Amino acid sequence: QVQLVESGGGLVKPGGSLRLSCATSGFTFSDYYMSWIRQAPGKGLEWVSYASSGSRHIRYADSVKGRFTISTDNAKNSVYLQMNSLRADDTAVYYCAREDYRRGSCMDVWGQGTTVIVSS
Amino acid sequence: DIQMTQSPSSLSASVGDRVTITCRASQNFNNYLNWYQQKPGRAPKLLISGASTLDSGVPSRFSGSGSGTDFILTISSLQPEDFATYFCQQSYSTPWTFGQGTKVEIK
Repeated sequence: QVQLVESGGGLVKPGGSLRLSCATSGFTFSDYYMSWIRQAPGKGLEWVSYASSGSRHIRYADSVKGRFTISTDNAKNSVYLQMNSLRADDTAVYYCAREDYRRGSCMDVWGQGTTVIVSS
Repeated sequence: DIQMTQSPSSLSASVGDRVTITCRASQNFNNYLNWYQQKPGRAPKLLISGASTLDSGVPSRFSGSGSGTDFILTISSLQPEDFATYFCQQSYSTPWTFGQGTKVEIK
């Protein structure tokens, strides 16, 4: 059974750092891209970043470029999001999702999300 | 960036009603258009990819159509479990972008 499980969220002060993890199982990790998407309280969905397995192809949203770093570990079937210089507007539920580039890069499996709160 | 605009932002409907949600893109692209359903407190769920291909296990009352800049999600006969928020998303060019969402509420 395909599963994505995020962890690492929490409360952090503005300017602080946090590292999110997404552990995957039930599929061949190297066959897919992985994305991070966030949702601020009461708001819509915002794509944050994606990476191919082995991190050969990486993209970021402008809102996080230079502050966030995505990485993958094929041995652990996991994707990570290192978040630095956090701001209040980074407060959100962060989801990881599997991207199927063979089906037009749709995000066909999602984790349950992990909550990040940036507040002093 | 490609802007995605959904309409309406919300709607009220009854069980059994036919519901249509429109998604308009700021520029023309191929059928790299996906629809997701999200229930409160839950992660989004893929309904339709490539504008019209139903994901595995999605009921046939859901359908997607359109091309270019205008896309439609149709629920042919609304069921109680369909009350949720629906998002369109383009996967043609990064940054991937979502519509603002359409909340389907019980009338």
